[in-house]
Amino acid sequence: SQTIHQWPATLVQPVGSPLSLECTVEGTSNPNLYWYRQAAGRGLQLLFYSVGIGQISSEVPQNLSASRPQDRQFILSSKKLLLSDSGFYLCAWSSGRNNEQFFGPGTRLTVL
Amino acid sequence: QKEVEQNSGPLSVPEGAIASLNCTYSDRGSQSFFWYRQYSGKSPELIMFIYSNGDKEDGRFTAQLNKASQYVSLLIRDSQPSDSATYLCAALTGGFKTIFGAGTRLFVKA
Repeated sequence: SQTIHQWPATLVQPVGSPLSLECTVEGTSNPNLYWYRQAAGRGLQLLFYSVGIGQISSEVPQNLSASRPQDRQFILSSKKLLLSDSGFYLCAWSSGRNNEQFFGPGTRLTVL
Repeated sequence: QKEVEQNSGPLSVPEGAIASLNCTYSDRGSQSFFWYRQYSGKSPELIMFIYSNGDKEDGRFTAQLNKASQYVSLLIRDSQPSDSATYLCAALTGGFKTIFGAGTRLFVKA
């Protein structure tokens, strides 16, 4: 069966510091991968998605970037965090015809 | 702008009742539709998806799709306190992009 991992689970970072969040998927090949952010009490905002190694589509221009160095690894990065980057970061994967997505446990980021 | 709209709630139903959750979507080209359940502080879990007009049943859950009205609903029969959560409606809008609604909070009173 497929499993998706995210780490760290929680993170507290000062403004201006760098960020690296990692997501890995097990049990499937060539998945579509997604990064979402969910602000408190809000819906899911799609940040990036990837349909293959090295292929990244950005949905929201901001100080975040994403990379997919391996088939089942997706990384979200920032060089300098802003207060507005605080939120719940979710990685998801899909591979079915209907593109049903399955989410990882998430990383709760607080920028102070 | 492609959107999925949901009533934020909260929707409160007594235990054992039917909970009815609704959403509308703006993109007529949307192909598949999803319902997720999200408990407070946790990540969303897929409940079911639907892509054909009509009803689709899975246990206590029934999804309904009306493409002409651009309307999707989720019925939860015999609601339990453990069903209390936020329910997210989502639409696959083309390619690999899925648009999520902001969610409806459901409270099931024991």
